[in-house]
This record gives sequence, structure tokens and C-alpha cells, in this order.
Amino acid sequence: DQQVKQNSPSLSVQEGRISILNCDYTNSMFDYFLWYKKYPAEGPTFLISISSIKDKNEDGRFTVFLNKSAKHLSLHIVPSQPGDSAVYFCAARGGGAQKLVFGQGTRLTINP
Amino acid sequence: EAQVTQNPRYLITVTGKKLTVTCSQNMNHEYMSWYRQDPGLGLRQIYYSMNVEVTDKGDVPEGYKVSRKEKRNFPLILESPSPNQTSLYFCASMSQGRIVAGELFFGEGSRLTVL
Repeated sequence: DQQVKQNSPSLSVQEGRISILNCDYTNSMFDYFLWYKKYPAEGPTFLISISSIKDKNEDGRFTVFLNKSAKHLSLHIVPSQPGDSAVYFCAARGGGAQKLVFGQGTRLTINP
Repeated sequence: EAQVTQNPRYLITVTGKKLTVTCSQNMNHEYMSWYRQDPGLGLRQIYYSMNVEVTDKGDVPEGYKVSRKEKRNFPLILESPSPNQTSLYFCASMSQGRIVAGELFFGEGSRLTVL
């Protein structure tokens, strides 16, 4: 029972263009959503988060959008840079649980 | 430097040979957790600890044990490893004050192969 799903295993984007990574969830009790970024041979690092009371959060080139009615969130990276090439995991928290539930990850490749 | 340190980083072992993966954090974090990463399944939580002497099961605890005798350390124990425990393991920690936000600090990972 995958409560958080990232349906695109990989995404390829040209440098300078927008990268859009998507994530769907099923549990309406989730109240916080996060994106983590992972480079090879390293642990994931926190990137950006959004509370369920908001629909948008922006941090520099990174913006996360939350659509609660659709149970969908997305991460926009503008403009995309080669250093953004990594695996991105979305995660959700809530329902009284202290744990994070992670998606399967999307491998983003930024092409020069 | 704030960090979560795991050892060993790489290990090949055989079925049934007990092993321990150590995890230590220097940030005085109350919360610590173990995850395993498998292709197509993302990160799944094995065990977590809210503080010293307080541990609880995550989503995939079978075949694993943990202990939290000190705040900084959270070892993962495989009493009798089996091939289905071949995976990439991550330890993570988080400040109690950031639990709502879910901002975990991860170690670099331990790749375990059980033959």
C-alpha cells in the first residue's frame, strides 16, 4: 500500500528550462510534505517543505505546489542547472504519526 | 561539522552471520531512525526512536533490532541476516523541535549484501 507515489522513475530536462517533479498521495491526514534530494553515494538532504495549510512555498529556484483536493504536490525547479541532477524523493507526514512516508523517487537528469 | 555517521559503509556477509550497523550523530538530536532503500520502493522506515530508551517499529521491522542506550547512538542489528535484507540502509536524525516539519539529517548510507 504505497501512500506516497512518484509515478515517473526518471525525467530528463534541458539546462535552463523548468523541471517539474510530481507526487501523489492517498492519505488525507498528511499535514506536512517535503522534498529530499539525493546524490549518488550520499544520503538524502532536505530541500523544501510545505504545510497542508498552504498551497505554495518558494525558496530560490525551488517552488513546491500543493493541491489538496487532488492529493497532489509538485516541485518546480527554475531554471534547471546541471547540479540539480539527482534523485528526488517526496515525503509526507501526519495522521498522528511521527514518521515520514516516502515516495519511490524520481531521477532528474539535466542535460547541457 | 554536524553529521550522521554510519559504519560500515559497505559490507558483504553470509546468511545467518549476525551483524551490527552503527549510527552516531553529533547534533544532540532526540529523534533517530533507520530506513532501507530498495529499487522501486523508495525509502521505507525500519525502526525509529523518539529519545533514549524509547524505540518503536516502522513499516518493515521484521528481521531487525535496535537499541537506544545513548542519545547519540542508534545501532541497527541484524541477528540472522537473509538475502532479502540486501539493501542500502540510511540512518537519520532530527531535532525534536523540527519533528513537525520532518526535516531529517541522513547519514551517507551503508550498502549491505547478504549472500
